[in-house]
Amino acid sequence: DAGVIQSPRHEVTEMGQEVTLRCKPISGHDYLFWYRQTMMRGLELLIYFNNNVPIDDSGMPEDRFSAKMPNASFSTLKIQPSEPRDSAVYFCASSSSGGGANEQFFGPGTRLTVL
Amino acid sequence: GDSVTQMEGPVTLSEEAFLTINCTYTATGYPSLFWYVQYPGEGLQLLLKATKADDKGSNKGFEATYRKETTSFHLEKGSVQVSDSAVYFCALSRHPTGANSKLTFGKGITLSVRP
Repeated sequence: DAGVIQSPRHEVTEMGQEVTLRCKPISGHDYLFWYRQTMMRGLELLIYFNNNVPIDDSGMPEDRFSAKMPNASFSTLKIQPSEPRDSAVYFCASSSSGGGANEQFFGPGTRLTVL
Repeated sequence: GDSVTQMEGPVTLSEEAFLTINCTYTATGYPSLFWYVQYPGEGLQLLLKATKADDKGSNKGFEATYRKETTSFHLEKGSVQVSDSAVYFCALSRHPTGANSKLTFGKGITLSVRP
């Protein structure tokens, strides 16, 4: 089975541009998580969904960030407008509530560079 | 709130050395505990887990025992290999399944193994 799929793997953009990151969770998983990883702040949970509904977005840094999950097989994280301090690796992860001790499966990440 | 504290890094060892990476946690109730590993350029992947006190998780020669009395989940391996070089994250989930399935991660520690 395919794991969590993220695209693009690398994104370089200029300050002020809109950036959209995409994620396809593992089929059958009902939880989806977006994380951000930087050297300074480590791994931060931005938002997570259960059955396509946002449950906790308290980690979203500001209004420039938004996330959607229009169906069970697709989610986006959008940054508009982007700023250099948004440069990080963004991970998507999914899990199943029927999977026992809540193991999360991570995608390979999108490395975002904002110039 | 919930928190996970990992020992400061980085850690550099010679091949076949013994490894211990300390992890302590703060959480109400009875959390599940995890170790995740991140190899260079990849997403996180589950290394091992334990869901109740005195459980021992093990995988690929790594072990960790859930110690409720000391709120710890230290990671050990008897003989490390160069291929174990990676970043290691300790994490907890307060509710294994159900409405609150997010993970709380420690800051991670980088392990480098010399040939």
